[in-house]
Amino acid sequence: QSVLTQPPSVSGAPGQRVTISCTGSSSNIGAGYDAHWYQQFPGTAPKLLIYGNSNRPSGVPDRFSGSKSGTSASLAITGLQAEDEADYFCQSYDSSLSTYVFGTGTKVTVL
Amino acid sequence: QVQLQQWGAGLLKPSETLSLTCAVNGGSFRGFYWTWIRQSPGKGLEWIGEINHKGTTKYSPSLESRVTISVDTSKNQFSLNLSSVTAADTALYYCARGDPIIGVIMTVDAFDIWGQGTMVTVSS
Repeated sequence: QSVLTQPPSVSGAPGQRVTISCTGSSSNIGAGYDAHWYQQFPGTAPKLLIYGNSNRPSGVPDRFSGSKSGTSASLAITGLQAEDEADYFCQSYDSSLSTYVFGTGTKVTVL
Repeated sequence: QVQLQQWGAGLLKPSETLSLTCAVNGGSFRGFYWTWIRQSPGKGLEWIGEINHKGTTKYSPSLESRVTISVDTSKNQFSLNLSSVTAADTALYYCARGDPIIGVIMTVDAFDIWGQGTMVTVSS
């Protein structure tokens, strides 16, 4: 049911840079609605990681960054650390569905 | 430090009504949208609806016919009722605070604080 598509998994060695894409459409990200990103560890609630496409809440390390272009948003993790191994979700608003929508989720594995 | 604490029944039979409550501890109730979100393996994260301190609600169109979200500002609590549940409503339910982030086109809530989650299972 998710209208925001993410790769199921990405992986990288410690210290490397990984990116996660969030592909939407002309009724959500492409329409100009902002994207937010969340990090979720097993058994815990999601945590807001990036808001307004590229802004970090207080306490989020600067190795996490976000961007948006066209109908997609992206999350980058530079200097990958073992503690970054988690699931990541994007979120936006869809004007056709008249609802907030989430991405399909991406599992990040640190090799 | 704002915290959300939620509770409610975790096991329901088909056709019953799901009822969950979320208490907002340590912060203002005004200026935010108090939200319910659910997560299941099959559907991922799904926004259910939200309410503000005035009682103004917005619901997901796919659930609107069965959902009621209410607020009790005197207790800093808000609640979710979902009627006529089926197995498809089995999920982990979260309450969350929606912080309206002003963008170019419109405000898009970012869910910056979450409750601990309540697993709700619908089974006969």
